[in-house]
Amino acid sequence: GAGVSQSPSNKVTEKGKDVELRCDPISGHTALYWYRQSLGQGLEFLIYFQGNSAPDKSGLPSDRFSAERTGGSVSTLTIQRTQQEDSAVYLCASSARTGDGYGYTFGSGTRLTVV
Amino acid sequence: AQSVSQHNHHVILSEAASLELGCNYSYGGTVNLFWYVQYPGQHLQLLLKYFSGDPLVKGIKGFEAEFIKSKFSFNLRKPSVQWSDTAEYFCAVNAKGSQGNLIFGKGTKLSVKP
Repeated sequence: GAGVSQSPSNKVTEKGKDVELRCDPISGHTALYWYRQSLGQGLEFLIYFQGNSAPDKSGLPSDRFSAERTGGSVSTLTIQRTQQEDSAVYLCASSARTGDGYGYTFGSGTRLTVV
Repeated sequence: AQSVSQHNHHVILSEAASLELGCNYSYGGTVNLFWYVQYPGQHLQLLLKYFSGDPLVKGIKGFEAEFIKSKFSFNLRKPSVQWSDTAEYFCAVNAKGSQGNLIFGKGTKLSVKP
């Protein structure tokens, strides 16, 4: 597609429920990133996929968070047993390649509210 | 580990005022540097980037940034702001040649009064 697409745009869930957030990157982009944006906290890196390589999961805050990327394209971020502190905007970005000088294209994000 | 500091949390200016937003990074090696902007209700967009060459980088909408290696800084400037520049601005860095993610600062909110 023309841009990075994320769904849903908004999600309200009850504490303890599981949620799945979807990211559809720009066609042909091999690198895909998930970030979390909380008020006053900037962007917190969560996980990074590059082609068929093992993902860099170093930013995931707990084992309740996981992500997968099927067929090198669409990615799903899953949060199990959601907590109120998980409330944030979850951003996905993709890039044609990693390395020097390549910036990301961001999606509009999914605003997650845990009540 | 790399880190990025944006010292100004919220900047309020009147139209036509000059702007400078500070960005300092912490990393011992060579880096790529970026500024992103997020207008109200919109997604993050790349404003400008530096990866080599002239340390004075010009971006969209009259913005520029200067990479000063000795100060580990990449400050964003604009000589005359407009109301439409009201947005949140994020500085980001990654290590040159790395395969990894961008590290972002916490952002600076700019409010321009008409």
